[in-house]
Amino acid sequence: AQTIHQWPVAEIKAVGSPLSLGCTIKGKSSPNLYWYWQATGGTLQQLFYSITVGQVESVVQLNLSASRPKDDQFILSTEKLLLSHSGFYLCAWSLLWASQNTLYFGAGTRLSVL
Amino acid sequence: AQSVTQPDARVTVSEGASLQLRCKYSYSATPYLFWYVQYPRQGLQLLLKYYSGDPVVQGVNGFEAEFSKSNSSFHLRKASVHWSDSAVYFCAVSNYGNEKITFGAGTKLTIKP
Repeated sequence: AQTIHQWPVAEIKAVGSPLSLGCTIKGKSSPNLYWYWQATGGTLQQLFYSITVGQVESVVQLNLSASRPKDDQFILSTEKLLLSHSGFYLCAWSLLWASQNTLYFGAGTRLSVL
Repeated sequence: AQSVTQPDARVTVSEGASLQLRCKYSYSATPYLFWYVQYPRQGLQLLLKYYSGDPVVQGVNGFEAEFSKSNSSFHLRKASVHWSDSAVYFCAVSNYGNEKITFGAGTKLTIKP
């Protein structure tokens, strides 16, 4: 069975500090990977997606970057956090095109920027 | 550009009553439509999806949704809700061969005992 693990579960960070969030998918070879951001009480905003190792497409940047260093790993990062980065970050995977397939979400990372 | 509107931010229903959550989409071609549910402090889970064929699609836990091209809608229904159905429900739309999925603002469902 496929599992998706996000880390950390929660973070409290200062404005201007760096950030790195991670996501690992086990039990699925070459999945498509996605990062979503959800403001408190808000909808989901797709940030990045990746269909293969080393390739990441940006949908909305929000002063964040993403990388896929391994087939099963997706990293979201920034060198300088803004207050507006607070929210809930969700990693997801799908088979082939997300438009046709189910997105499987991780449990998310809650980020508070102070 | 594709868009999704969920006109009801909050819905409260008594346990055992029927439910309809509304979703309107905007897209020029035939869309791919989804309903996801998010329980507190968790990621989203798929309830059901529609691509083509029978406009009424069945999902998990007794949920179903009906696609209407003429009304550009994809409303979610359940005949009898349970307290465990309390959650936030998201409607989403995408198009073929595209990695971009657009989510609605979500509807928070509260079940009264």
